[in-house]
Amino acid sequence: GQQLNQSPQSMFIQEGEDVSMNCTSSSIFNTWLWYKQDPGEGPVLLIALYKAGELTSNGRLTAQFGITRKDSFLNISASIPSDVGIYFCAGRRVGNLIFGKGTKLSVKP
Amino acid sequence: GAVVSQHPSRVICKSGTSVKIECRSLDFQATTMFWYRQFPKQSLMLMATSNEGSKATYEQGVEKDKFLINHASLTLSTLTVTSAHPEDSSFYICSASSAGEFGGYTFGSGTRLTVV
Repeated sequence: GQQLNQSPQSMFIQEGEDVSMNCTSSSIFNTWLWYKQDPGEGPVLLIALYKAGELTSNGRLTAQFGITRKDSFLNISASIPSDVGIYFCAGRRVGNLIFGKGTKLSVKP
Repeated sequence: GAVVSQHPSRVICKSGTSVKIECRSLDFQATTMFWYRQFPKQSLMLMATSNEGSKATYEQGVEKDKFLINHASLTLSTLTVTSAHPEDSSFYICSASSAGEFGGYTFGSGTRLTVV
């Protein structure tokens, strides 16, 4: 099925660093969502965006709904060890969600 | 906030047997529920959409006779993997949406199915 283009696929973080990831699509979405998934668990909603241009924060997380409605980014500021995991973007038009392939955050060795 | 409970979290079954996975919305009524399958290191792939009181809508390539979905009430949907085979081993996740929810969907904690 259709998927969003999410990048980067993986990245290593050092505590205190800022992290950025994004999703793009050839299609317009009405809602953009960002989820985090820990191993063996279901995704947990981090931020939901409902309007083009909307910028929303949740603690150290900030996400934006692109003006074209075809993209979104998620920033994590001052990363901490518990930020590791897989982050998924998801877009919604009507009905079910379309997911990106995920960005895996790991601790820099 | 909305809570979705999924049970069991892990199940091991023998080839040829059937396994039922339950998904419950604990504090809201879910008119629509979604079932996903996730392979290791991959994203979530939608299997089917179930609406309370009506037949589920399956995505292309998903066998409706193998993956039986029942959404008989506004708080419970079940996925039954019938005549399971090792290739059905996967992580299954449900999510729920209430009639008034237009934003994010709430996900269950997932079920790790291993068929031996």
